[in-house]
Amino acid sequence: SQQGEEDPQALSIQEGENATMNCSYKTSINNLQWYRQNSGRGLVHLILIRSNEREKHSGRLRVTLDTSKKSSSLLITASRAADTASYFCATVTTDSWGKLQFGAGTQVVVTP
Amino acid sequence: DTAVSQTPKYLVTQMGNDKSIKCEQNLGHDTMYWYKQDSKKFLKIMFSYNNKELIINETVPNRFSPKSPDKAHLNLHINSLELGDSAVYFCASRKIAGETGELFFGEGSRLTVL
Repeated sequence: SQQGEEDPQALSIQEGENATMNCSYKTSINNLQWYRQNSGRGLVHLILIRSNEREKHSGRLRVTLDTSKKSSSLLITASRAADTASYFCATVTTDSWGKLQFGAGTQVVVTP
Repeated sequence: DTAVSQTPKYLVTQMGNDKSIKCEQNLGHDTMYWYKQDSKKFLKIMFSYNNKELIINETVPNRFSPKSPDKAHLNLHINSLELGDSAVYFCASRKIAGETGELFFGEGSRLTVL
C-alpha cells in the first residue's frame, strides 16, 4: 500500500518564486526522505529528516516534519528552471528492514 | 564512473517473451533493490537483496525472478511478459541492510511490452 501521498500533484511557478509541496503518511516512521527525479532520469536523494527532528535545511531546501499530523513539507526557495523535476517523499518505518515507501510525487515546473 | 548502472536503458518486446535487466553498483554497498515505477510515476518496491540473499519480496508475481551473483550485481529476469509489466524499473543500493539512510538509484530501464 502507498505510504506517502504528495500534494499538490503538480505545481507551476516562475523563477525566483518559492515552491512548497506536502507529504502525508499513514504509519509511524523512523525517518522521511525527499528525492528529486528529472525527466527520464533516476531518483536523487535530497534530504533526510529523522522522526525526532522538526526542521532541516540544505542549501535552498527546507524540510519540516510534524509527526503528530503525520506530514512533511518541502520548500524550495528562489526556484530556478533547473529545479523543474518531480519530487517524491519516501518513508522508512521502524520494522521494515529499512524499506523505503514512496508517494506518487509532485511535478514541479519552473518557468524562466 | 556511474555508481549504479542498469542495462538496457530501453527495452521493447512482445507479450510472452522473457527478458532480463542487469544492474551493477560500484559503491561497495551490501544491499540492492528493484523498484517499479508505473505510468503515474508511483514507485513500488519489488525486491531487496543483502549480500546475495533475498530479504524483501513484495508479493511480486513469480514471473519475476531476481538473481544476485555477488553483492555488486542484482539482475531481474521476467518470464512470459504481460502488457501490465510495461514500466520503468529502477535498481538502487544502500550501504548496509536494515539501515535507514538514503538509496542510490540507477537511471532506470524502460520496458515496453507490445
